[in-house]
This record gives sequence, C-alpha cells and structure tokens, in this order.
Amino acid sequence: DTGVSQNPRHKITKRGQNVTFRCDPISEHNRLYWYRQTLGQGPEFLTYFQNEAQLEKSRLLSDRFSAERPKGSFSTLEIQRTEQGDSAMYLCASSEQPSSAETQYFGPGTRLLVL
Amino acid sequence: AQKITQTQPGMFVQEKEAVTLDCTYDTSDPSYGLFWYKQPSSGEMIFLIYQGSYDQQNATEGRYSLNFQKARKSANLVISASQLGDSAMYFCAMETGYSTLTFGKGTMLLVSP
Repeated sequence: DTGVSQNPRHKITKRGQNVTFRCDPISEHNRLYWYRQTLGQGPEFLTYFQNEAQLEKSRLLSDRFSAERPKGSFSTLEIQRTEQGDSAMYLCASSEQPSSAETQYFGPGTRLLVL
Repeated sequence: AQKITQTQPGMFVQEKEAVTLDCTYDTSDPSYGLFWYKQPSSGEMIFLIYQGSYDQQNATEGRYSLNFQKARKSANLVISASQLGDSAMYFCAMETGYSTLTFGKGTMLLVSP
C-alpha cells in the first residue's frame, strides 16, 4: 500500500506531557498538510510544507505546536505541554502538484486523548 | 474568507436509492476547487470527487456526481444507487489557491437495507 501513513493511530497522554506524531506521505508528493478535527466538526488546517519548507501556519497552531519535515520526506507534529483541549484527530494529507487545486490524499489520522 | 456550509446534519436513505447531499460555498476568489470526501467510522478521509470553478461540465466518478451550480454557489453531491457501505460522514471542502482546504461540518449518511 502506497497511501499516506500515520503513526501512532491512537495516543492517550496525561495533561502536560509532550507527544509527537509522524506522517509519511505518498512518495512522489511534495506537499504535506496537517489538519486537526474535533468531534462533530470538519478538519481544520494547521500547517503545510512544500518539500522541507513550512509555507503556512494557521492561527490554530499555538507556540506549543511545532511541525517539521526534514529532507522533504516524512513529517512530525509535536505538541508540548498537552492540554485537554488538544484532544482531537490529527490528520495528515499530501498532494503532488504545488501550483493548482490538486487533490489532497489523507492518512488514517492519529486520535489524541489528553486526560 | 472562504466558507463551506452543509445544512444537513444527517440523511437517511434506503439501499439502491439516490441521495443528494447539499453544499454551499462562499468565496471572492474566481478560481477555486470543490471537493467531496467520505469519512467512515475508521477516521480516514477518502477523496470522492473534484470540481474546478472553470469546469464546464459537472464532475462524475462512478456512482458519484457533483451538481455544480456556480451562480448559486452550490456543489451538491449526488450518490446514485446507495449501498450499505456508503454509510459515513461526508464533507464538502474548497481550495482557493492558498493550497489549504476549508471544510464544512459534514453530513452523516445512513443507508438502510
């Protein structure tokens, strides 16, 4: 299977702990996106990369959040000092072309529960 | 600002019937793309269909078609011959050249035997 993969699929943590999620995009895709989805809502954009460059960050991405994409391949999303409000599904997506409305293909997501 | 509105929280349909899921959008950008995604209970967002703002014909993909009415700013998804496996959340989304998707709140579709 050559789709987008995310690990872990589920994470339970205590408030105040740090967590890190990983996303492996489809291999030929140079754009990678992170979204957050809370219960009963559609996904909300967090940030995206073109190759290794982080091109845009949402206001939702507080200082406790950091994302990286070293070497333009996989990406990590770290949340420091987690809060209960961070509980959500974190979705990663990738797309191929940088210059047009190109379809984003999503991974299975990481469900985070902060106790 | 871009906005997607899905006014149907839930829809029920019997197997083999057709169903229309509503989506209206708002943008001042003349160039945009409209997408529909399916999200089963497992959580993965599955791409269904795409319509570009300059496309002259409505998009179709198998049992899925997009009823695009540009003047009304609507992009309704039509599923023909519903199947039990179609039961899921359905999200309408828009991309306006800033490379990010803006999603609606979704519609839960339940298909009964």
